[in-house]
Amino acid sequence: GAGVSQTPSNKVTEKGKYVELRCDPISGHTALYWYRQSLGQGPEFLIYFQGTGAADDSGLPNDRFFAVRPEGSVSTLKIQRTERGDSAVYLCASSLQAIGELFFGEGSRLTVL
Amino acid sequence: AQSVAQPEDQVNVAEGNPLTVKCTYSVSGNPYLFWYVQYPNRGLQFLLKYITGDNLVKGSYGFEAEFNKSQTSFHLKKPSALVSDSALYFCAVRDITRDDKIIFGKGTRLHILP
Repeated sequence: GAGVSQTPSNKVTEKGKYVELRCDPISGHTALYWYRQSLGQGPEFLIYFQGTGAADDSGLPNDRFFAVRPEGSVSTLKIQRTERGDSAVYLCASSLQAIGELFFGEGSRLTVL
Repeated sequence: AQSVAQPEDQVNVAEGNPLTVKCTYSVSGNPYLFWYVQYPNRGLQFLLKYITGDNLVKGSYGFEAEFNKSQTSFHLKKPSALVSDSALYFCAVRDITRDDKIIFGKGTRLHILP
């Protein structure tokens, strides 16, 4: 499809487990963002890539969270030793250029039991 | 660091009446400003943006927003509300002078009453 694709759409895991969330941006989009959205809240910034490099990772909550974009396209958000407080919808967005609007995926809903 | 404030958690408007959803921002440099809409169980959709130029920006579904530099505001407006406009609306800002990240407000739930 032509839009931003996120997998899985739903992930249920147990406390302490490792989780990977994948984002496939729109082809040709150089900027890629990860956000986290809790119920009734606005998207909370996590990390932003320009190409392969993380331009700003100041929103990652702690060192259990890590994201990569090795070839400047697909990105993976990795969460180690998951905690119940990590439960949220993780949103990915891409844009054609740094000044452009963001195009969002449908999100990956993570539930940590 | 930049920030965005949406002072109203919820706005109720009768169908056919004009609507306004408020947004104020804070940046150290020049802002790029955005509005997004989120329908239940859906991803965020882009409505409109202000980059430069005319202070009144027109976007999708008949929405518009006015950039006011002196008041650091970017309120979303529509002349005549539809029931289908009921959704969650987010304002967002980027400090382009610092080539910075895009930050979102906490959102305003818009209820259009039939």
